[in-house]
Amino acid sequence: QKEVEQNSGPLSVPEGAIASLNCTYSDRGSQSFFWYRQYSGKSPELIMFIYSNGDKEDGRFTAQLNKASQYVSLLIRDSQPSDSATYLCAVPRGYSTLTFGKGTMLLVSP
Amino acid sequence: GAGVSQSPSNKVTEKGKDVELRCDPISGHTALYWYRQSLGQGLEFLIYFQGNSAPDKSGLPSDRFSAERTGGSVSTLTIQRTQQEDSAVYLCASSSPTLSGRAEGEQFFGPGTRLTVL
Repeated sequence: QKEVEQNSGPLSVPEGAIASLNCTYSDRGSQSFFWYRQYSGKSPELIMFIYSNGDKEDGRFTAQLNKASQYVSLLIRDSQPSDSATYLCAVPRGYSTLTFGKGTMLLVSP
Repeated sequence: GAGVSQSPSNKVTEKGKDVELRCDPISGHTALYWYRQSLGQGLEFLIYFQGNSAPDKSGLPSDRFSAERTGGSVSTLTIQRTQQEDSAVYLCASSSPTLSGRAEGEQFFGPGTRLTVL
């Protein structure tokens, strides 16, 4: 089983809709979870992180964590065309770096 | 302040040649990471440096790959006898172990080096 799994997409949503991106992970001991956004041809940038079960909100973004089911999701409210990007889920790998999923491509149409 | 910088931005080389990729992390960041990203793939961890500790080389795909970090700052990733499957974008990231106010250990990525092996 891969350590971090994401649907590659693309996930297409109309402008103004809610985009829901999901990620599952295999290591039950994972304590923190990160969502990175990567625009085409650009480098990843961190947009959300979550440590505790439940929801964490930051502007239009909400991260949801369910440790029992080993999934973490990212909701984007009022999606904008500028949100079109690939969203990478990441979990810590040991005490050092991160293991990234392959990412989900989001397309927001005007 | 300045972000992570990488050079060159693009590198085209012939199969069998050696290449060196450079990364200059954010000043004060003690942790430095190298990843590579192939078309349509996620980020593949290569190597991790933290301060003066021995690097975590567990992600290096073969002994043709090596990296060093001089003076705890600039890092060079060297690929010897390049192969076509080495073609990818090589990304460097750095982080500080202290709480940054956003996420402890948040990794800041450089713009990457696109390597093409003909």
